[in-house]
Amino acid sequence: DIQMTQSPSSLSASVGDRVTITCRASQGIRNYLAWYQQTPGKVPKLLIYAASTLQSGVPSRFSGSGSGTDFTLTISSLQPEDVATYFCQNYNSGLSFGGGTKVEIK
Amino acid sequence: EVQLVESGGGLVQPGRSLRLSCAASGFTFDDYAMHWVRQAPGKGLEWVSGINWNSANIGYADSVKGRFTISRDNDKNFLYLQMNSLRAEDTALYYCAKDGTSPNNYYYMDVWGKGTTVTVSS
Repeated sequence: DIQMTQSPSSLSASVGDRVTITCRASQGIRNYLAWYQQTPGKVPKLLIYAASTLQSGVPSRFSGSGSGTDFTLTISSLQPEDVATYFCQNYNSGLSFGGGTKVEIK
Repeated sequence: EVQLVESGGGLVQPGRSLRLSCAASGFTFDDYAMHWVRQAPGKGLEWVSGINWNSANIGYADSVKGRFTISRDNDKNFLYLQMNSLRAEDTALYYCAKDGTSPNNYYYMDVWGKGTTVTVSS
């Protein structure tokens, strides 16, 4: 089974900061990676699929990159509504989620 | 509007069974694979099971294999999860989710229901 490891597990940043979250797969998954945002008390929301394709309606300050084993989710300018937990998900071989990264405002 | 509505959760004793249902609307149900994903209280997401459009391709997480059975009724636009031999560690919010891209395989989830809570306790 492919393990997905996210880092950091939590971070605190100021409004307007650039934020980067990393996801590492235990073996290569090509670009078969999705990112989700879960705001407190809400349902997960798809942000990015195929590692870098923005889901319709998602603000352009979100971007994804990577291939193989190393991936990143970047928020170019953190906004108050971005406070959430972010999960990566492998769908190349089986399906598995990372442990999540909690993003807070400093 | 694409909508998924789960039902069937509740409090159940260890070792007993429960059947979850998910009513789908607003899209052509048999054009997409479907998923069940769960989230234990205060924890992350765990993929539970996936099913392709015609039920020919089904997969399960190791943690539920042999105990849970996913199925779908394309005539009624329903997804199901039969859960047997329930354990305390199955306690979670169970989400039904639509696959984002494929009828033939299960990849990522682009639409999620609000979930139904399953609590396994004596």
